[in-house]
Amino acid sequence: DIQLTQSPSFLSASVGDTVTITCRASQGISIYLAWYQQKPGKAPNLLIYTASTLQSGVPSRFSGSGSGTDFTLTISSLQPEDFATYYCQQRHSYPLTFGGGTKVEIK
Amino acid sequence: QVQLVESGGGVVQPERSLRLSCAASGFSFSTYAMHWVRQAPGKGLEWVAVIWSDANTKFYLDSVKGRFTISRDNSKNTVYLQMNSLRAEDTAVYYCAPSVVDPSVFDYWGQGTLVTVSS
Repeated sequence: DIQLTQSPSFLSASVGDTVTITCRASQGISIYLAWYQQKPGKAPNLLIYTASTLQSGVPSRFSGSGSGTDFTLTISSLQPEDFATYYCQQRHSYPLTFGGGTKVEIK
Repeated sequence: QVQLVESGGGVVQPERSLRLSCAASGFSFSTYAMHWVRQAPGKGLEWVAVIWSDANTKFYLDSVKGRFTISRDNSKNTVYLQMNSLRAEDTAVYYCAPSVVDPSVFDYWGQGTLVTVSS
């Protein structure tokens, strides 16, 4: 199974900051990585797929990059509604797997 | 718009069974793969199973293989998860999700249904 390791697991930031979350795969997964945002008590929301393609309706301050084993999610100019938990997910092979999550909290 | 409504969750004793349903609307259900993803209380996301549009191709998480069965009824726009021999570690909110925009990513989600396995 492909393991995804996210870092950090927790980060504290202020409105207006730029934050970067990393996701490392245990083996190469080409660009088959997606990112989700989840707020408490809600279902996750797809932000980015194929490493860098922004899902329709997602603000352009979200961006993704990477290929192979190393990926990043960047949120530019953090907004109050961005405080949430973020997960990466690989679709290279079954079983599909998620990273452990990164909780972004208000400093 | 896309709607996914899960149902069938509840409290069940270990080793008992439960069948979850997910009614879909707002997209061409029969065209897309459907997944179940779960989230244990306070934990992260875990993919459980997928059934492709042909209704014959299925994949499972190792820990549920032989206990869970995914199926779909394209005439009813519904996907099911039959869960047998339930264990405490199966306690979670179960979400159904289609892969529409990209294979094996989850672009729409239901509200989830809570399964609690407890004696």
